[in-house]
Amino acid sequence: DGGITQSPKYLFRKEGQNVTLSCEQNLNHDAMYWYRQDPGQGLRLIYYSQIVNDFQKGDIAEGYSVSREKKESFPLTVTSAQKNPTAFYLCASLKLGTGELFFGEGSRLTVL
Amino acid sequence: QKEVEQNSGPLSVPEGAIASLNCTYSDRGSQSFFWYRQYSGKSPELIMFIYSNGDKEDGRFTAQLNKASQYVSLLIRDSQPSDSATYLCALMDSSYKLIFGSGTRLLVRP
Repeated sequence: DGGITQSPKYLFRKEGQNVTLSCEQNLNHDAMYWYRQDPGQGLRLIYYSQIVNDFQKGDIAEGYSVSREKKESFPLTVTSAQKNPTAFYLCASLKLGTGELFFGEGSRLTVL
Repeated sequence: QKEVEQNSGPLSVPEGAIASLNCTYSDRGSQSFFWYRQYSGKSPELIMFIYSNGDKEDGRFTAQLNKASQYVSLLIRDSQPSDSATYLCALMDSSYKLIFGSGTRLLVRP
């Protein structure tokens, strides 16, 4: 079945460690997005990418990094520079020119 | 000024009533608008998108867009308790940047 897969669903990390969240889609979508959601809050844009090998910073990119080496994949690295990384991370993909914009199930990161 | 504004609610309506959710935005260059539903602890689900002025209907849902007044709304007819969730409005600009509002919590009373 086509869809967006995020992994892991739950992740625990010690302070000072980098962690990479995976996002893979087999929908042949062009654009991909990463958001962060804190409890009771809306979605804040971290990074987005319209095409392979290109991406743009969102509103809260500091402390995060991404890559887009393949159309299907858009991994997010939460670095030790991110001071408050505990959050729910959501990946989405979009077929350009349509309203097909879907989310993965999310990854919940907890820093111990 | 926030780019996308939504009343946080909660908006409480009785079962069977029409729920009206509103969203205003500041960027006149916004191209497309999306409505999502999010249940607690889950990822957002796409309800519908709209990019032309006017109304767009899909089942019990109607999205309304007014670019001159910079607002987009979502009407839910015959509201059900299962519609109780947070509704997120989002807009996309010409560079495909997608920005969300903080959401409106809807409670449908049985």
